[in-house]
Amino acid sequence: GQQLNQSPQSMFIQEGEDVSMNCTSSSIFNTWLWYKQDPGEGPVLLIALYKAGELTSNGRLTAQFGITRKDSFLNISASIPSDVGIYFCAGIRSGGSNYKLTFGKGTLLTVNP
Amino acid sequence: DAGVTQSPTHLIKTRGQHVTLRCSPISGHKSVSWYQQVLGQGPQFIFQYYEKEERGRGNFPDRFSARQFPNYSSELNVNALLLGDSALYLCASSFGQGRDTQYFGPGTRLTVL
Repeated sequence: GQQLNQSPQSMFIQEGEDVSMNCTSSSIFNTWLWYKQDPGEGPVLLIALYKAGELTSNGRLTAQFGITRKDSFLNISASIPSDVGIYFCAGIRSGGSNYKLTFGKGTLLTVNP
Repeated sequence: DAGVTQSPTHLIKTRGQHVTLRCSPISGHKSVSWYQQVLGQGPQFIFQYYEKEERGRGNFPDRFSARQFPNYSSELNVNALLLGDSALYLCASSFGQGRDTQYFGPGTRLTVL
């Protein structure tokens, strides 16, 4: 099935460092989402973006909806050990009664204390 | 309030068998979506149901079917199981359809032998 191009695949950083990951698509989306998934659990929504160019923060997390509507990035500032996990981007295309949500392959983040 | 609940937690089946997975949405949510997550990949969208009607379908064979009940709970059915159906099956609920925030359950781990 189709998946978004998410990079990097994995990151290994020191506690306190900033992190940046991004997601690109050949298709336009009208919503971009960023999720975090811990082992054995379902994804948890971190940030939702609804308009092209929108920049939204949630604590140490900042995400932007690309102006072309085909990309998005997520930044995490001053990383801490509990930031460890897999981060997924997801895009929604919806119109009328037709809905489709597409996920990226994920970025595995490891934070070294 | 209880989050999204799924049952069973784990399931082992053999090839050719049939399986039914169950999901109860967050109270007040009217939409349920199903996803398949193979190890090392992002979730793949299977179905979305809203008000008991199918509102979106991913690229899955007809062996996969689902329904939503009047109390908004949902079942995912998979017939003629294949080894490749082994995955974590996630259910997500939202108040409405489209761009409404989806909240994920912990998933059902299906192993097909």
